[in-house]
Amino acid sequence: DQQVKQNSPSLSVQEGRISILNCDYTNSMFDYFLWYKKYPAEGPTFLISISSIKDKNEDGRFTVFLNKSAKHLSLHIVPSQPGDSAVYFCAASDGQNFVFGPGTRLSVLP
Amino acid sequence: DAGVIQSPRHEVTEMGQEVTLRCKPISGHNSLFWYRQTMMRGLELLIYFNNNVPIDDSGMPEDRFSAKMPNASFSTLKIQPSEPRDSAVYFCASSRWGELFFGEGSRLTVL
Repeated sequence: DQQVKQNSPSLSVQEGRISILNCDYTNSMFDYFLWYKKYPAEGPTFLISISSIKDKNEDGRFTVFLNKSAKHLSLHIVPSQPGDSAVYFCAASDGQNFVFGPGTRLSVLP
Repeated sequence: DAGVIQSPRHEVTEMGQEVTLRCKPISGHNSLFWYRQTMMRGLELLIYFNNNVPIDDSGMPEDRFSAKMPNASFSTLKIQPSEPRDSAVYFCASSRWGELFFGEGSRLTVL
């Protein structure tokens, strides 16, 4: 059973609009959450993270929101740019292990 | 720093052959992870090491897969014998202080 879920395999957004990528987790032991971005033929690269003691973390155009009671987090990208087109992986950590979701392919249309 | 280095980048082999994938983690990182990326499962954790010791290998698909970390700067993932369903991109990643850094991956094709 998947401990980290990303229920939208793909998402298309117009350039300049907001992209919202969602992630759900099941394990209450996870206390640190990360988003990674992956381009074809490259390894995933770190984008942004959030600790369980926070409910929001912002870095430029990227904001991650955490709702612990719902075991849900989301990544907001605003404004979206064509260069943001990639696969986005949500990950959760218990301090030792990192468990990834299946990914969401974001396409930002010019 | 050179980042996490994986080799080979691409491997094409025939069913039944032995495959060895190699990884050099970032110097000073004390945890190393092997992941497999497939269309169906995304990034699937195979095994991870902490201070060169295997901690969790529950993700290793079956006995055909084995991984070693003889020292802090080198790890291998071996598949013997390989099967077509093992075709995937295999990523190595290393970690220190809660952030995970990935290599560029090894794309394996088993014919």
